[in-house]
Amino acid sequence: NAGVMQNPRHLVRRRGQEARLRCSPMKGHSHVYWYRQLPEEGLKFMVYLQKENIIDESGMPKERFSAEFPKEGPSILRIQQVVRGDSAAYFCASSSNLGNTIYFGEGSWLTVV
Amino acid sequence: KQEVTQIPAALSVPEGENLVLNCSFTDSAIYNLQWFRQDPGKGLTSLLLIQSSQREQTSGRLNASLDKSSGRSTLYIAASQPGDSATYLCAVSHVNTGTASKLTFGTGTRLQVTL
Repeated sequence: NAGVMQNPRHLVRRRGQEARLRCSPMKGHSHVYWYRQLPEEGLKFMVYLQKENIIDESGMPKERFSAEFPKEGPSILRIQQVVRGDSAAYFCASSSNLGNTIYFGEGSWLTVV
Repeated sequence: KQEVTQIPAALSVPEGENLVLNCSFTDSAIYNLQWFRQDPGKGLTSLLLIQSSQREQTSGRLNASLDKSSGRSTLYIAASQPGDSATYLCAVSHVNTGTASKLTFGTGTRLQVTL
């Protein structure tokens, strides 16, 4: 049973470009979470999704960031017009149900140059 | 607003020592508390999950305790090994947010176990 799969693991983008980060949850998991870890800071919750629905996006920046979890395929975190401050590690996690242990992926490291 | 604090921020111990990592949180209305391990450039590995109704959990050389009323948890590592070197993160989930898996993380304790 493969774990939470994230790709790409490392991504370099120039300022103004778009970044797309993908996350495939563990098999049988329908809850997906995205967290961001800025340099020298703790992980911060961004968004919680179930299939085709955004349940809680209270941690998402109001502009340029969006997330989806379509019926088929991985969850996507999309960052438009990236800026240097978006450079961070973005972690996806999944769980089978509320309150159960959540499992994290290896992260996607975004560098904006 | 929930705040999670971990002390110390960094710790260096010789191999074989027992050690305690501390975590405190400001809002006791939690659903559960988890301890994670993070290696440099890697994701998070869940070590122990304590439900709010529980007092402690054990896995191998690890023991985590939870005192919800005082807003504290400790992670005890027995007979430390160099392979235990990593950053240890404490995270709590909230009763009232509608999702028990929306976690608030501490900034971690960076542990180094020396030979």
